[in-house]
Amino acid sequence: DGGITQSPKYLFRKEGQNVTLSCEQNLNHDAMYWYRQDPGQGLRLIYYSQIVNDFQKGDIAEGYSVSREKKESFPLTVTSAQKNPTAFYLCASSIVSTGVTGELFFGEGSRLTVL
Amino acid sequence: AQKITQTQPGMFVQEKEAVTLDCTYDTSDPSYGLFWYKQPSSGEMIFLIYQGSYDQQNATEGRYSLNFQKARKSANLVISASQLGDSAMYFCAMREGAGGTSYGKLTFGQGTILTVHP
Repeated sequence: DGGITQSPKYLFRKEGQNVTLSCEQNLNHDAMYWYRQDPGQGLRLIYYSQIVNDFQKGDIAEGYSVSREKKESFPLTVTSAQKNPTAFYLCASSIVSTGVTGELFFGEGSRLTVL
Repeated sequence: AQKITQTQPGMFVQEKEAVTLDCTYDTSDPSYGLFWYKQPSSGEMIFLIYQGSYDQQNATEGRYSLNFQKARKSANLVISASQLGDSAMYFCAMREGAGGTSYGKLTFGQGTILTVHP
């Protein structure tokens, strides 16, 4: 089945530790995105990538890093510099990286809790 | 400035009735796309409906329709014949064209929690 796989689903981290969230898609989509969602809030864009080996900062990139070495994969690292990392993280992809059409397909999310 | 505004934090509707969820947007780009997503308590994001700025007719998908009023910059979601399974958070989102300041991104509103009562 085609889709987006995020892992782990739940993650606990001690303060000061870096963690990496995995996102893999087999939809052959060019564009991939990482969003953060806080309780009762909307989604805020962290990073996005429109093509392999290229990515752009979103609205809240500080304290996060990404890589896009393969079309299928877009891992997100939450670094110790992120002041308030406890949140729900959603990875998404879309068939088009330009234009206005093309909905985003989402993974099931990763819930990160900092202890 | 907020690109997408959803002014209703929560809405209640009786089963089998229709409900309208409000969304207004802000862009100076003539080319843009508007999207609605549903997020159940499980957290997954489910795409519901899309409206392009140049589309002449309002989009419809089954029980979902989009009341697109371009001059007022509003894109309200109408759910007809509500079902208990419609209880969820609903998000409006926008993607601007190349002339927009957020080109390449999908920007989301704060969401509206819909509760359907039996």
